[in-house]
Amino acid sequence: QQQVKQSPQSLIVQKGGISIINCAYENTAFDYFPWYQQFPGKGPALLIAIRPDVSEKKEGRFTISFNKSAKQFSLHIMDSQPGDSATYFCAASGNSGGSNYKLTFGKGTLLTVNP
Amino acid sequence: DTGVSQNPRHKITKRGQNVTFRCDPISEHNRLYWYRQTLGQGPEFLTYFQNEAQLEKSRLLSDRFSAERPKGSFSTLEIQRTEQGDSAMYLCASSRRSGGKAYGYTFGSGTRLTVV
Repeated sequence: QQQVKQSPQSLIVQKGGISIINCAYENTAFDYFPWYQQFPGKGPALLIAIRPDVSEKKEGRFTISFNKSAKQFSLHIMDSQPGDSATYFCAASGNSGGSNYKLTFGKGTLLTVNP
Repeated sequence: DTGVSQNPRHKITKRGQNVTFRCDPISEHNRLYWYRQTLGQGPEFLTYFQNEAQLEKSRLLSDRFSAERPKGSFSTLEIQRTEQGDSAMYLCASSRRSGGKAYGYTFGSGTRLTVV
């Protein structure tokens, strides 16, 4: 059972463009939604995260939009740069046992930003 | 503090051999997690520790897998009688638990296991 569905599988964007990656979840107990960036040969690195009490969070060029009723959230990368080329994972965690701990990941989106 | 450290970075082993990986978490982090990532997939949760106590194990963690965290510091993940299906990147992460939430969830660079 895939609890977090991510799309698209791959994305090609021109430099300066907007990259948009979408995720949908099923488990209504999830209450923490991070996005991770992973470069080849490296572990995932936390990019930005949101909790369901807000609908949007922005950090620099990265914005998460969250729609609780639709159980969907998305990552927007503004002014995309070649250095942003990486695999992006959405994830979700639920307040099970009194604290967030176990992350459930989507399958990832390979982003390529052309110069 | 240099983050979460995993050793070795790469391991090639023959089918049927035992392998052991080590993870050194960020020093003030009391929680430690193991994940497995196969090619083209997101990481999948295997198990986690709070201090030295192993609090949850995924059904992905068959009886050939064992993890320990003696003294609540570093952790080891051992795979006995390796199979080709065990080939994957094994990721360790750590975090600090405070007020019911996990903070500073940080991944290491992983150990890539290839079983031939």
